[in-house]
Amino acid sequence: GAGVSQSPRYKVAKRGQDVALRCDPISGHVSLFWYQQALGQGPEFLTYFQNEAQLDKSGLPSDRFFAERPEGSVSTLKIQRTQQEDSAVYLCASSPNGGSSYNEQFFGPGTRLTVL
Amino acid sequence: GDSVTQMEGPVTLSEEAFLTINCTYTATGYPSLFWYVQYPGEGLQLLLKATKADDKGSNKGFEATYRKETTSFHLEKGSVQVSDSAVYFCALSSAGKSTFGDGTTLTVKP
Repeated sequence: GAGVSQSPRYKVAKRGQDVALRCDPISGHVSLFWYQQALGQGPEFLTYFQNEAQLDKSGLPSDRFFAERPEGSVSTLKIQRTQQEDSAVYLCASSPNGGSSYNEQFFGPGTRLTVL
Repeated sequence: GDSVTQMEGPVTLSEEAFLTINCTYTATGYPSLFWYVQYPGEGLQLLLKATKADDKGSNKGFEATYRKETTSFHLEKGSVQVSDSAVYFCALSSAGKSTFGDGTTLTVKP
């Protein structure tokens, strides 16, 4: 079956522009996660949804970052007024159940954002 | 907060050599532990996991044992292959939130 997909795969933005990154999780998966991965580092947690509810957004680095999942499936991560330090790979992952630490997460290929 | 520290790389081995990648963690509560692998040009995928102390996860010849007393989850493989060349990430999950190490790049030469 289809895995997690993300679009665009690559995005170049000028400093100050707004960007929107899309994630299509595996159909029926309850949980959805966003991570930021800087070069040479592991993924850093940004935010977590269970269905349409955003249960944890403690990892969002500033109020320029906003995520939504209005119908409990597709999610969008929006970054306003991009800065050079926002350059990273943004990963989306989904998991079949909610609230459990036991389940593996299924990752998308990521969106590489470069802010000039 | 939770943290994961894994062996710095890169690691270069000859085919059929023994592999160990060290991973230690700090967490409140009782996390689940994972190893994820990222092959060149691909996304992260689960390699193995363990959900409680003394559990051993295994897959594709790789093994790791959840050691609560030493807060460790070291990855081992008895005989690596060229196809094992990838980046390996140790991770813990607690209350639905995952924390990753910085990854270890493994290169296996024929």
